[in-house]
Amino acid sequence: GEDVEQSLFLSVREGDSSVINCTYTDSSSTYLYWYKQEPGAGLQLLTYIFSNMDMKQDQRLTVLLNKKDKHLSLRIADTQTGDSAIYFCAESIGNYGQNFVFGPGTRLSVLP
Amino acid sequence: DTEVTQTPKHLVMGMTNKKSLKCEQHMGHRAMYWYKQKAKKPPELMFVYSYEKLSINESVPSRFSPECPNSSLLNLHLHALQPEDSALYLCASQEDRGIYEQYFGPGTRLTVT
Repeated sequence: GEDVEQSLFLSVREGDSSVINCTYTDSSSTYLYWYKQEPGAGLQLLTYIFSNMDMKQDQRLTVLLNKKDKHLSLRIADTQTGDSAIYFCAESIGNYGQNFVFGPGTRLSVLP
Repeated sequence: DTEVTQTPKHLVMGMTNKKSLKCEQHMGHRAMYWYKQKAKKPPELMFVYSYEKLSINESVPSRFSPECPNSSLLNLHLHALQPEDSALYLCASQEDRGIYEQYFGPGTRLTVT
C-alpha cells in the first residue's frame, strides 16, 4: 500500500536553510508535491517535481528527488519567520493520478 | 484567478441536523475533490469528481453525500453526523485528471455537537 513519511518537527534560526525530508513507497508516482499549510488555512502548493527529474529549483526552494531510495527533500534557503507552517509532502497515485496521498506533515518553526 | 472558495467558513451542527458545504471554482477545472482533515493530521481523500461524475469514493459513510451540480460547483451534504466527524473539510480542484497541481480552498471548520 501507499505510505508517505516525514519527520514531524523542525526548528531553525531565521536566515538559516531548512531541509524537510520525505520518503514514499509507491514507485509509480508520477509527480511529487510539497504543500504548505498555515494555521486555520487550506493547503498552498509550493512546488512539485516530475519523477524523472533529480532536482528542481524555484527561487528559495530546492527540491531533490532520489527515486532509487524513494526520498524527497525540500530545502528553503534564507528561512524567514513567515515560513513557519506545516509542510506536507504528497504523491499522486492511481490510474489517473487523482489519489493524492499526503505525509503526516512537518511543523517548521523559525526562531528569530 | 486561482481561487477556490468554500462556504461556510465555520459550521456547528447537531447530530440530527442536515446541512451542506459548498465549494466553487471558476478556473475551468474538470476535477474536484473533498478532503477531511483532523487536527494535526494530513488531509484524507473522501471523494473525487471528474467531468461532473463521481470517480473516487474512499469508502466514506453514507451520512456524507457529495454532489456536483455543474463543473464549477461541488457540494457535500451532511446528515446524521457523529461528533467524530468534526474536522476541517477541504475542497480542491485540478485542471484535469492526472498530473496537474491541486488548488485548495480555505476549508470549512465543522463541529458536530
